Amino acid sequence: ETGVTQSPTHLIKTRGQQVTLRCSSQSGHNTVSWYQQALGQGPQFIFQYYREEENGRGNFPPRFSGLQFPNYSSELNVNALELDDSALYLCASSFSTGRNGELFFGEGSRLTVL
Amino acid sequence: KNQVEQSPQSLIILEGKNCTLQCNYTVSPFSNLRWYKQDTGRGPVSLTIMTFSENTKSNGRYTATLDADTKQSSLHITASQLSDSASYICVVSATGGFKTIFGAGTRLFVKA
Repeated sequence: ETGVTQSPTHLIKTRGQQVTLRCSSQSGHNTVSWYQQALGQGPQFIFQYYREEENGRGNFPPRFSGLQFPNYSSELNVNALELDDSALYLCASSFSTGRNGELFFGEGSRLTVL
Repeated sequence: KNQVEQSPQSLIILEGKNCTLQCNYTVSPFSNLRWYKQDTGRGPVSLTIMTFSENTKSNGRYTATLDADTKQSSLHITASQLSDSASYICVVSATGGFKTIFGAGTRLFVKA
């Protein structure tokens, strides 16, 4: 167990809808990163939050947005869902933003867009 | 272009046998390389992490090697068990910024 929890574990949405995914980081960790993992692929970096501010972003459109709260938990919001958004969304917490910061992953939220 | 390539894409071995997974990268400037194990439908779990000065790191039956000159890494699994069936992902980070690149993974199937 990594101490990182994500919810919901599975959800189904239809194209055009909006979704919010949640992540509680490991105790003591101040940084949360979000990843999208399509079936059979490695995780793709979406963005990272450090002390409630976005601290880096991958190649994802603005309809992917996020928040980090004072307790360092985080949300990933996706608007105007598209079929290609179907994936496993992983949250990882770490103690710092540094390149050597060990990433601790949650079990993921499996999103299916119909 | 920063890339991490893993081979083979998938592998089937018999329980008790050894296997070696490969990772080649072009991420630069190199900071560290990690191997993760990911069970189907679950989050990745860290196995090893190596920096530039380390060329081998063990975690139980898992041994990772790193050749920073050729930009290659391998993960050797000894005396495989059924529970080793999973995807193994190589992750390489560069210094500065958010250059952490994930490989596509090697899917390992261990058969009884």
